[in-house]
Amino acid sequence: QVQLQQWGAGRLKPSETLSLTCAVYGGSLSGYHWIWIRQSPGKGLEWIGESTPQSGSINYTPSLKSRVTISLDTSKTQFSLNLKSVTAADTAVYFCARSGVGAAYGMDVWGQGTTVTVSS
Amino acid sequence: DIQMTQSPSSLSASVGDRVTIACRASQDIINSLAWYQQKPGKAPRLLLYAASRLESGVPSRFSGGGSGTEYTLTISSLQPEDFATYYCQQSYGTPPTFGQGTKLEIK
Repeated sequence: QVQLQQWGAGRLKPSETLSLTCAVYGGSLSGYHWIWIRQSPGKGLEWIGESTPQSGSINYTPSLKSRVTISLDTSKTQFSLNLKSVTAADTAVYFCARSGVGAAYGMDVWGQGTTVTVSS
Repeated sequence: DIQMTQSPSSLSASVGDRVTIACRASQDIINSLAWYQQKPGKAPRLLLYAASRLESGVPSRFSGGGSGTEYTLTISSLQPEDFATYYCQQSYGTPPTFGQGTKLEIK
């Protein structure tokens, strides 16, 4: 049974960099998309981006592409999210998740979520 | 981006009722649709993918249907644990996008 456990700083000041890490337990990174999603009251569920180790591809949502980096550490079976120059609009609950490769699959395993608050 | 619109936004029902939630995409998404259930303070839980395929471990009272731009989630007989918020999500276009959610409440 694959499980995801995530961690990172929960309180940031404007202009700082958000950094979150998600560890994969009970499985490897190969064969799946590894995804970051956030949820805020104002914008609902928002897909941030994904990394696919098998193909080496990384995709980001256009609205965040200039500020976001997703990286994989296959030796530690972890993946990370960095979002630079945060503002109050980045305040949200951030989730890591997994999905199968292909358009037909959903996100079947999720982390527990990390509440991130951006405030001066 | 592909826009996903759910209806209704909220729904009151009783245990044992049959309920249906609709999800409309702004373009054909070729059955690349998933449904999730979310309870307060928890991550979403995958219920169905590819519009109608039941995720392992999900009760058979949940079913999905539709094609093209119109999809539905049906719960055949509501149980107390089903009162939650439900989201649809398309994975045909990049970025994947979610509906705004349907909150299912006890009548």
